[in-house]
Amino acid sequence: DAGVTQSPTHLIKTRGQQVTLRCSPKSGHDTVSWYQQALGQGPQFIFQYYEEEERQRGNFPDRFSGHQFPNYSSELNVNALLLGDSALYLCASSLAGTGSTGELFFGEGSRLTVL
Amino acid sequence: TQLLEQSPQFLSIQEGENLTVYCNSSSVFSSLQWYRQEPGEGPVLLVTVVTGGEVKKLKRLTFQFGDARKDSSLHITAAQPGDTGLYLCAGVTSGTYKYIFGTGTRLKVLA
Repeated sequence: DAGVTQSPTHLIKTRGQQVTLRCSPKSGHDTVSWYQQALGQGPQFIFQYYEEEERQRGNFPDRFSGHQFPNYSSELNVNALLLGDSALYLCASSLAGTGSTGELFFGEGSRLTVL
Repeated sequence: TQLLEQSPQFLSIQEGENLTVYCNSSSVFSSLQWYRQEPGEGPVLLVTVVTGGEVKKLKRLTFQFGDARKDSSLHITAAQPGDTGLYLCAGVTSGTYKYIFGTGTRLKVLA
């Protein structure tokens, strides 16, 4: 049973560029959440996708956008990259029916460095 | 802005020692989870607590949810090097779908 897979694992971009990160959820999961984790800190919620729509959003600017596909996989897009966007981006999948007690299954993350 | 503050931020102890990590907030959570994250990996769930005052045990780890559901603690008995990692608490408030993660406690257990 494949867990959550993310790609790419590492990438380097320059300021002003755009990046797309990809996530395949755990088999059977229908909900995908994206988190940004700065070095040495806890993950910060970016947004959550369910039924191909953004269901909830954290305090991130519109430069951060996403998409969920019919097969439940998801993409995170960041435009006009800033140095401060350098972080580990984590994708977490879950089952919508588990509500507020559901377990989040995380991928290993995509480490983005902006120069 | 909902915040979950964890203390201590860093902890370095000898194998066999006991320790407690705290997770505090001014917000009420409908549930609270604890995760452990190791370098190069995503967080992995340890436990979920949902009832105020609830205590759960997982081998040498004891988790408690505060009576008012605003805080939680994680106690490790006789720590082992394998317990080394970043411990994160995460809370969910009623009517939302987002998990608010704490600031993290980085634990290092020396052999």
